[in-house]
Amino acid sequence: DAGITQSPRHKVTETGTPVTLRCHQTENHRYMYWYRQDPGHGLRLIHYSYGVKDTDKGEVSDGYSVSRSKTEDFLLTLESATSSQTSVYFCAIGGGQGAYNEQFFGPGTRLTVL
Amino acid sequence: DAKTTQPNSMESNEEEPVHLPCNHSTISGTDYIHWYRQLPSQGPEYVIHGLTSNVNNRMASLAIAEDRKSSTLILHRATLRDAAVYYCILRDVTRSGNQFYFGTGTSLTVIP
Repeated sequence: DAGITQSPRHKVTETGTPVTLRCHQTENHRYMYWYRQDPGHGLRLIHYSYGVKDTDKGEVSDGYSVSRSKTEDFLLTLESATSSQTSVYFCAIGGGQGAYNEQFFGPGTRLTVL
Repeated sequence: DAKTTQPNSMESNEEEPVHLPCNHSTISGTDYIHWYRQLPSQGPEYVIHGLTSNVNNRMASLAIAEDRKSSTLILHRATLRDAAVYYCILRDVTRSGNQFYFGTGTSLTVIP
């Protein structure tokens, strides 16, 4: 299994509070991704990173920011959490250019915003 | 990016073959066809991918139509552990950044 961990694995917070989710990899992959998964929507990309300090938006980036100060860590921040951000969040590594670059996913973080 | 269409759900009896269809009528020449699956309470995992020719690996086979507008993931003998959501994804490998659009996939139920 690819070395990807996510923390915390579960979190309950209140509307308006800041939340930071951490993704940590031991595979030295250049590309890292944050997805959210909601019933009826499948997985949707929030942000991705293609190197240290290099990030770009995905299809559902509003209300989220990311940072990558070192290769192994990719942080997802909800500056002011809302109930619509209640979801399961998955981090992934890999991908990038090339047909054989599959993505590997972390175990997910279940976030509940009350 | 080109999108795919899959049935929402399918059922199969244990130890029988399963054919999971995917339509991708707007596929371009640089799109590879990838399949991932997501077991309950886990992140997705890679299954197989191909471009034009049929592909086999230890998990499954991928049959690609001659015009590439559709493909079929084949599980040769379904087991209870194959119960999952299966995603068919088109991936433009000439692009950097995100190429993985998962959609809602097909939820496979395996009946003992």
